[in-house]
Amino acid sequence: GQNIDQPTEMTATEGAIVQINCTYQTSGFNGLFWYQQHAGEAPTFLSYNVLDGLEEKGRFSSFLSRSKGYSYLLLKELQMKDSASYLCAVIASNYQLIWGAGTKLIIKP
Amino acid sequence: IAGITQAPTSQILAAGRRMTLRCTQDMRHNAMYWYRQDLGLGLRLIHYSNTAGTTGKGEVPDGYSVSRANTDDFPLTLASAVPSQTSVYFCASSDEGGGVDEQFFGPGTRLTVL
Repeated sequence: GQNIDQPTEMTATEGAIVQINCTYQTSGFNGLFWYQQHAGEAPTFLSYNVLDGLEEKGRFSSFLSRSKGYSYLLLKELQMKDSASYLCAVIASNYQLIWGAGTKLIIKP
Repeated sequence: IAGITQAPTSQILAAGRRMTLRCTQDMRHNAMYWYRQDLGLGLRLIHYSNTAGTTGKGEVPDGYSVSRANTDDFPLTLASAVPSQTSVYFCASSDEGGGVDEQFFGPGTRLTVL
């Protein structure tokens, strides 16, 4: 079967750094996305990784290790507006996206 | 219109009724998708279309049908709604199909089937 695992919920402090992990077991791999979803809203694109290594985009970075079936999203200088769910999604061998259930990130002052 | 719109925003429906969820995009994207999102589960693909005139089945297509008569519109129809179809439905689009492009999502339709 195909499976994507993420922690259900994480809590962090404003101004700090948090790392959200994603592990996957899928039939094939053609890339990995991270999306952000605020409560009651639509998901919005954050990052895309297809090769191993770190992709940095402002306060957000995403890392991929294909051999380990592992990715993480790193958020720096946390702001209250970063309180949201973070969704990991893998492009499987049939080129359809397999989505994780998401990690709800709670930011405390 | 800017991006993707969905209608209605929310709906309460009696079991057994027919319902069409509407989705329109103005980005001239080739590919469009319908997902459902349930608490504790990831987004699940219902149907997709890689280009106007073609459609395909996703992970959970049973009980749903779609059509893609033109580039902009991608309606989702529930022929005879059942309570297990209570969910939030998101329409999305991307420049190309095949999953490798960023997907843009509509605001969602919250559907309750009683």
